[in-house]
Amino acid sequence: QKEVEQDPGPLSVPEGAIVSLNCTYSNSAFQYFMWYRQYSRKGPELLMYTYSSGNKEDGRFTAQVDKSSKYISLFIRDSQPSDSATYLCAKRNDKIIFGKGTRLHILP
Amino acid sequence: KAGVTQTPRYLIKTRGQQVTLSCSPISGHRSVSWYQQTPGQGLQFLFEYFSETQRNKGNFPGRFSGRQFSNSRSEMNVSTLELGDSALYLCASSPARTSGRPTDTQYFGPGTRLTVL
Repeated sequence: QKEVEQDPGPLSVPEGAIVSLNCTYSNSAFQYFMWYRQYSRKGPELLMYTYSSGNKEDGRFTAQVDKSSKYISLFIRDSQPSDSATYLCAKRNDKIIFGKGTRLHILP
Repeated sequence: KAGVTQTPRYLIKTRGQQVTLSCSPISGHRSVSWYQQTPGQGLQFLFEYFSETQRNKGNFPGRFSGRQFSNSRSEMNVSTLELGDSALYLCASSPARTSGRPTDTQYFGPGTRLTVL
């Protein structure tokens, strides 16, 4: 079992909808969780990080962690076509372990 | 401040050859990490260099090696290329060693697309 599992999608939603992206992880010996966004032909860029159970909000983005079920989520409100990208979840201790990424398409 | 730069951006090689990829980190950053990204395996950690020393290594064969220079620039070398080495190779820099602190944010370069024929 991979340490971080993520549905590859693609996930297509209409503009303005709420997007929910999810990951599960298998090893509890880590400290932080992160979400990266990767546009085509670009490197990943850090969107958000969190380490505690609960929600962390940043603009239209909310990261949620449930340590009891080993589940992490990213919610995007009022989705825009510019949000179309691949979203990677990751966990981090002395190195970063990434999920395979979910391709998201926001339909105008 | 200039971002992470990687050269070349695209590369085509044949099986058995070797290749060297280059990464220039953001000015002032001392840590450079390398990743391999493929559709099948996703983004996988190769190794991290800090102050010219390899600090951490992923599960890749010895054909993959790297080094870091005193100016923090880093190179990655792959010898005896195999078809499965075709991938996007990403370099990321951060001010300090990768640790449990999220403030040590890694900034990724655009990657080098390697195709092995």
